[in-house]
Amino acid sequence: GAGVSQSPRYKVTKRGQDVALRCDPISGHVSLYWYRQALGQGPEFLTYFNYEAQQDKSGLPNDRFSAERPEGSISTLTIQRTEQRDSAMYRCASSQWSGTEAFFGQGTRLTVV
Amino acid sequence: AQTVTQSQPEMSVQEAETVTLSCTYDTSESDYYLFWYKQPPSRQMILVIRQEAYKQQNATENRFSVNFQKAAKSFSLKISDSQLGDAAMYFCAPRDDKIIFGKGTRLHILP
Repeated sequence: GAGVSQSPRYKVTKRGQDVALRCDPISGHVSLYWYRQALGQGPEFLTYFNYEAQQDKSGLPNDRFSAERPEGSISTLTIQRTEQRDSAMYRCASSQWSGTEAFFGQGTRLTVV
Repeated sequence: AQTVTQSQPEMSVQEAETVTLSCTYDTSESDYYLFWYKQPPSRQMILVIRQEAYKQQNATENRFSVNFQKAAKSFSLKISDSQLGDAAMYFCAPRDDKIIFGKGTRLHILP
């Protein structure tokens, strides 16, 4: 596609429910990143993929968070048993191979009530 | 990059003046890239400028330029002739294998 697409744009869920956030990167981009951003703060790294391989998941806060990119294109970030502290903007970005900048999607604003 | 420090949480500059935003980082790599991103109130992330660490020449992009000091691991952004549209959060983002962002500097432009 023309840009990085994230869905849904807004998600309100009840505490304890599972949520799946989707990212469709720019066509042909090798790397895909997930970040979490609180208001007034910088994007906090969660995980990233090159093709379908998860290269680094050191930023995932705990084992309730997981991500996959099974065919090297679309990625899903899943949060199980959501908690109020999970409320944030979740941002996806993609880039060509190393050395190029990341292009960001509009983000998914998750609210856990 | 392991850490990124932007020591100025907020800055203000008069319209048409020049302002410099600072950034220091830590990496064990010798070959890497550095970016400055801008985030206006719309919360879009917009690339402002990029620098390859192997290049000695500082990058420039119209009114935006950087002062890259590799040995000091410093990467500051200079905005010349500041405009009202420059008001935003600015994030320094070094990239070795992954891209890590600083906490940001909120820039206010005073008319």
